[in-house]
Amino acid sequence: AQKVTQAQTEISVVEKEDVTLDCVYETRDTTYYLFWYKQPPSGELVFLIRRNSFDEQNEISGRYSWNFQKSTSSFNFTITASQVVDSAVYFCALSDATSGTYKYIFGTGTRLKVLA
Amino acid sequence: ETGVTQTPRHLVMGMTNKKSLKCEQHLGHNAMYWYKQSAKKPLELMFVYSLEERVENNSVPSRFSPECPNSSHLFLHLHTLQPEDSALYLCASSQDPIPQETQYFGPGTRLLVL
Repeated sequence: AQKVTQAQTEISVVEKEDVTLDCVYETRDTTYYLFWYKQPPSGELVFLIRRNSFDEQNEISGRYSWNFQKSTSSFNFTITASQVVDSAVYFCALSDATSGTYKYIFGTGTRLKVLA
Repeated sequence: ETGVTQTPRHLVMGMTNKKSLKCEQHLGHNAMYWYKQSAKKPLELMFVYSLEERVENNSVPSRFSPECPNSSHLFLHLHTLQPEDSALYLCASSQDPIPQETQYFGPGTRLLVL
């Protein structure tokens, strides 16, 4: 069965600290896609990144970086030098052929609080 | 307007009311989705439309009735809702309903059923 686990329900850090949000997934497919979204208090899910299962190269975008490791079925997200504006709920999601051609499996989210 | 827009942003309704949620996407996408987000639960996919045809109905109660008049607009008609239907309703769109396509979300309608 497909599953996405975000074990960290809530994390609090002080501004400028680095923080890593964990995402562990389960799928039987060899072709799948992983996503991270940010949900600020306004409610909209903001797309951050998409990664396909054949591309294990880590990605960096400004203060954001993602570590994809197929060996541990993890797709972790690190924010470097966190800022108050990073406070939000972050969701990891999986899509593959088994879950349905259009179905995302979302984790339960990690609430990040960055304190000034 | 850009991206995906939703109206209204907030809605309070009684259990006997009828109301509609509206979603519009300005991205030229072919697929549109309704999701329900309740507190402490993962996002639940409710309906999927591809080129105005419904392709998924995830065992959603009949008191929720979707409508997709064209590929840019999606409605969710609500009637005789229950208090447990109070949630954030999110609309999304993607180029096509396939796994590798990124879904782009609107800001949601926060619904309270009294």
